[in-house]
Amino acid sequence: EAQVTQNPRYLITVTGKKLTVTCSQNMNHEYMSWYRQDPGLGLRQIYYSMNVEVTDKGDVPEGYKVSRKEKRNFPLILESPSPNQTSLYFCASSRRERYGYTFGSGTRLTVV
Amino acid sequence: TQLLEQSPQFLSIQEGENLTVYCNSSSVFSSLQWYRQEPGEGPVLLVTVVTGGEVKKLKRLTFQFGDARKDSSLHITAAQPGDTGLYLCAGGSGNQFYFGTGTSLTVIP
Repeated sequence: EAQVTQNPRYLITVTGKKLTVTCSQNMNHEYMSWYRQDPGLGLRQIYYSMNVEVTDKGDVPEGYKVSRKEKRNFPLILESPSPNQTSLYFCASSRRERYGYTFGSGTRLTVV
Repeated sequence: TQLLEQSPQFLSIQEGENLTVYCNSSSVFSSLQWYRQEPGEGPVLLVTVVTGGEVKKLKRLTFQFGDARKDSSLHITAAQPGDTGLYLCAGGSGNQFYFGTGTSLTVIP
């Protein structure tokens, strides 16, 4: 089944403790992206990647890092999480932007 | 910067009614997409439109892309409770991709 897999689904952590949210796709898509979704603010792009070793900042990249060492994986790294990063995070992939994105099921992160 | 404005923000209708959701921008997009999202789940792609003036139909859903590729509409005929969800429009500009704030639709049986 074609899908984007994110882990974990739920995560509660403490301020400053480094964490990684993994994302993997099995569709051989070139484009991958991370979004956060907050009430009243909608979906905002954090980082995106157009191919292996090619990443760029989206609208809200502060406090996040990404890497794209393999085509299928695009992990999101929070080096020192803070409470304002509490949010619902989505990873998405696409063959090309004009074909639309396939989204993962989301990771609900709470930073206390 | 919110490039895509959706209206209405909330919509509650009775089963069987028709409705239209709008997505407007001052920017030109190379493509525009509509997604539906259920609580706690990721958005699911409904349709992509790429040509100005394009109209696509998906069963009871009709999507239209404006001639100038700045706006789009989603029309649902004879809404059903299963249509309940958050409808999101999204557009690509360069290498970035932007989502509207969404329209939350509730269809009451």
